Order: sequence, then C-alpha cells, then structure tokens
Amino acid sequence: GIQVEQSPPDLILQEGANSTLRCNFSDSVNNLQWFHQNPWGQLINLFYIPSGTKQNGRLSATTVATERYSLLYISSSQTTDSGVYFCAVEFGNTPLVFGKGTRLSVIA
Amino acid sequence: ETGVTQSPTHLIKTRGQQVTLRCSSQSGHNTVSWYQQALGQGPQFIFQYYREEENGRGNFPPRFSGLQFPNYSSELNVNALELDDSALYLCASSLTGAQEAFFGQGTRLTVV
Repeated sequence: GIQVEQSPPDLILQEGANSTLRCNFSDSVNNLQWFHQNPWGQLINLFYIPSGTKQNGRLSATTVATERYSLLYISSSQTTDSGVYFCAVEFGNTPLVFGKGTRLSVIA
Repeated sequence: ETGVTQSPTHLIKTRGQQVTLRCSSQSGHNTVSWYQQALGQGPQFIFQYYREEENGRGNFPPRFSGLQFPNYSSELNVNALELDDSALYLCASSLTGAQEAFFGQGTRLTVV
C-alpha cells in the first residue's frame, strides 16, 4: 500500500546547527508538502514541492520524484524551529497521506 | 484573504454524546478535507468534500459524517462518541485536489 516514511523519528540539535530531514514515498506523487506542527497543533505550510528545489530563508527543500524522496534542510537552527515536521504526499486521486513525522528539539 | 478557521478550539464531551466541529475554508477554496490526529501520530484522513459532495473517505465508521455548504464551509459530525475519538481534528482547504492544502488550527476533542 501507500507508504510515507520519515527519518529520523527524533532529532536533538544545539542552536546554530544544521539538519536534514528525509521523506521516502512508495509511488509517483502529484503533491508533496512539508509542514511544521507547532506546540498548539497547527500545521504550518513550509513547502509545496512535488519536484525540484525551493528555498525560504533558513529552510530549503528538494524533491527527487524519480527516486521517490524529499529532503528538508534546516540551517542555523533556532529554538523556535522545535516541533514536529511532517511530510505529506498525494498519489493520484488519494488525499494527503502523512508520514509519522520527525520530532525536532533545538536546545539553546 | 482569510485563512482556514476552525471552531471550537477545545471541547470536552462524554462518551455516547454527539459533537459537531466546524471549518471555514480559505477564500476561494472549494475542497475541504478533515483529518484526525491522535497523540504522537500523523494526521489520518477522514473524508473530503468538493463542491458540497463527499469526494473520498478514509477508514472511519459511518458515525463520522460531514457536510459542505454552498460557501464551502464544512462540518464534521461524530455520533456515539467513544473514548478513542479523543484527538486533534484538523480541517484543510485547497483549490481542487493536488493543490497546496492549508490547515486550520484544529479542534482538540476530549471524550471522558
């Protein structure tokens, strides 16, 4: 069946460090999004990136659709980056399927 | 342009009761999806509405039902609440499928 796998499940960083989060998916996609879930539960859109590379400030993302993975890069991490990062994918006519997330803790 | 808004933000209900959660979609969006997120898990798809018609349903029992109104706002109704229904319920809107989805802040439901 459809699978979205994220790694690592947990990550602890010192403030200022860089990190890479990975999302593997099992089929061709027509939508891939990265979200940051804040402590109050809201999913904040980071990137809509079914293919290619995008950058937004300290964050960037790359999706290699032919190899079925996406990467989220966080540079110069800050404590406000803490939270859970989700990758979500649409295959064909399916709704967004979420991975289990990566829980990031940035320590001052 | 207003974002996706959900109400209420928090709710406590007793097992066996019924609950209605509401969602106003982002301006111009005609597709609304509902998700359930249990503690420590990723969101799970409940169902989607497109132009007032159900347009897909996840693995949830019939006591989970919904509506979409002409202004594209939506309701999620859950009957005969069970303790396991305690979760964060998230609403997302998009302009048709395969487009970027935007989420509301969620409704945290506790069933006691």
